[in-house]
Amino acid sequence: EAGVAQSPRYKIIEKRQSVAFWCNPISGHATLYWYQQILGQGPKLLIQFQNNGVVDDSQLPKDRFSAERLKGVDSTLKIQPAKLEDSAVYLCASSRRLGGGNEQYFGPGTRLTVT
Amino acid sequence: TQLLEQSPQFLSIQEGENLTVYCNSSSVFSSLQWYRQEPGEGPVLLVTVVTGGEVKKLKRLTFQFGDARKDSSLHITAAQPGDTGLYLCAGAISGGSNYKLTFGKGTLLTVNP
Repeated sequence: EAGVAQSPRYKIIEKRQSVAFWCNPISGHATLYWYQQILGQGPKLLIQFQNNGVVDDSQLPKDRFSAERLKGVDSTLKIQPAKLEDSAVYLCASSRRLGGGNEQYFGPGTRLTVT
Repeated sequence: TQLLEQSPQFLSIQEGENLTVYCNSSSVFSSLQWYRQEPGEGPVLLVTVVTGGEVKKLKRLTFQFGDARKDSSLHITAAQPGDTGLYLCAGAISGGSNYKLTFGKGTLLTVNP
């Protein structure tokens, strides 16, 4: 079974530029998560989808971050415009369903550097 | 906001030594998970503990969930260089249709040969 795929693996942009990250979850997984992991910290949930609907986006900075999962499969996370403090690893994860007992599988992440 | 405090933040030991890392919170969690993350990779789930007082063993790793479901520990016996990595605990809050993991900052373990 293929794991969670993310691209690009690395991205360097200047502040105020835009950037987009792509995630393809494990086949058949209904729930998809985007996390932000700043250096020296644990992952912080930004948004979670159940199929193509948003379940929780309470920690997503909506003035600059957006995410979509239009067909309930792959997902895109966008930052526009980027700030220096957005430098982090952006992790995508998926699970079969939402709820306890459903293991989250993480992708390798996209490391974003904003200069 | 539920906060998880992990200690120590950094740990460097020699191969063969034992170690314990801790995960503490003032909040009660429905379950608690431990992950290991290697450089350039995403976290990988090691174990989920659900019941207060529960102890789970995974080869040389022993996980314990506190009686009040607010804290947890991970003990590694006879550490090996392959155990090197960032160990993260994550508490789960679930209710209705919502299920959310809150991660600690992690313990960065280095096992020297």
